[in-house]
Amino acid sequence: AQSVTQPDIHITVSEGASLELRCNYSYGATPYLFWYVQSPGQGLQLLLKYFSGDTLVQGIKGFEAEFKRSQSSFNLRKPSVHWSDAAEYFCAVAGGYQKVTFGTGTKLQVIP
Amino acid sequence: DARVTQTPRHKVTEMGQEVTMRCQPILGHNTVFWYRQTMMQGLELLAYFRNRAPLDDSGMPKDRFSAEMPDATLATLKIQPSEPRDSAVYFCASGPGTPNTEAFFGQGTRLTVV
Repeated sequence: AQSVTQPDIHITVSEGASLELRCNYSYGATPYLFWYVQSPGQGLQLLLKYFSGDTLVQGIKGFEAEFKRSQSSFNLRKPSVHWSDAAEYFCAVAGGYQKVTFGTGTKLQVIP
Repeated sequence: DARVTQTPRHKVTEMGQEVTMRCQPILGHNTVFWYRQTMMQGLELLAYFRNRAPLDDSGMPKDRFSAEMPDATLATLKIQPSEPRDSAVYFCASGPGTPNTEAFFGQGTRLTVV
């Protein structure tokens, strides 16, 4: 069965600081991996995705993520956080039929 | 701009009433998913369909929930009777069902059962 672990429930960073959100997955084959962002009261917006190829993927809003098969990880990074990045971030894994399993989410707080 | 459309966006209903949530998948997508999001459980997969046939509805309480696809352009999720614990945001997603593609999510239906 596929699963995703996001070990950090809540993270606080200062505006302008770098950010890394952790994600570990479990899947028997080569996974499809995603990061979604959700602002309060809003739907899920896809930040970036990994299907194959280059293990460093670029997404929207200046985010990037690196797929590390040996560590079963897909951490999300941003070099300089903006106040508008405050939201909840979900890592997800998909297998056959695009069935997506989500992690529990990491809430990001950005302080001035 | 193709998108998954969910209606209604918000629904408040009294306990015991029937609730129907609708989803229009992206034209041409043959895979449809229903997810529920709550504070306690996060995002849970309730059911999913491929070519209108249910593939897995093991995440759905069978006694009160039902999911159908009357045709390729409509998916429905019904709760009868509704209970306060059903209060959540319900998301629909659709995908083309081909390799190296992702599912696209609707904006969700926020259900409140009082």
